[in-house]
Amino acid sequence: AQSVAQPEDQVNVAEGNPLTVKCTYSVSGNPYLFWYVQYPNRGLQFLLKYITGDNLVKGSYGFEAEFNKSQTSFHLKKPSALVSDSALYFCAVRRLYGNNRLAFGKGNQVVVIP
Amino acid sequence: DTEVTQTPKHLVMGMTNKKSLKCEQHMGHRAMYWYKQKAKKPPELMFVYSYEKLSINESVPSRFSPECPNSSLLNLHLHALQPEDSALYLCASSHPAEIPLHFGNGTRLTVT
Repeated sequence: AQSVAQPEDQVNVAEGNPLTVKCTYSVSGNPYLFWYVQYPNRGLQFLLKYITGDNLVKGSYGFEAEFNKSQTSFHLKKPSALVSDSALYFCAVRRLYGNNRLAFGKGNQVVVIP
Repeated sequence: DTEVTQTPKHLVMGMTNKKSLKCEQHMGHRAMYWYKQKAKKPPELMFVYSYEKLSINESVPSRFSPECPNSSLLNLHLHALQPEDSALYLCASSHPAEIPLHFGNGTRLTVT
């Protein structure tokens, strides 16, 4: 079975400062990792994914994530946070070769303070 | 705007009502999903259809009945729901062997 841990409930950051949202995962075999963002009253929006290759993955809206196999982590980062980045962020994992079940983390509320 | 369209956006129903949620996508995806999401919680998988066949049912109560009439449409039929079924119901689609999932904006369901 696969699982994801997002240790923080809420991440507060000042506008313009770097933003990091932490994620660690557990999966048998090679992982397929994702970050999604959810704005109020909307569905989940795909930000980026890691499957193989370069450990640093670049995604939408200036976000990037670094895959670290030894630490089983996939932290989401943005160099300079915007107020509009305030939202709920979900990390998710599935086995690279397996069924269509995604395991989501509990989510992190990001609040960017003007 | 999302490429997965869900209707209605909001639905209020009594416990004896029968209603349906609808989902449509035109991306050529052959896998479609229903998720249930409570406020500030991660989505919970309910059903997966792959090539119009039900491939995953996560032990969902029979008061929820999915249907996939064709490769573009997914319905969720609701009957005799309970107040605890109130939630945001999300539809998603993907290529069967690939993700990411593409989510709709959901139907906000309130059971009274």
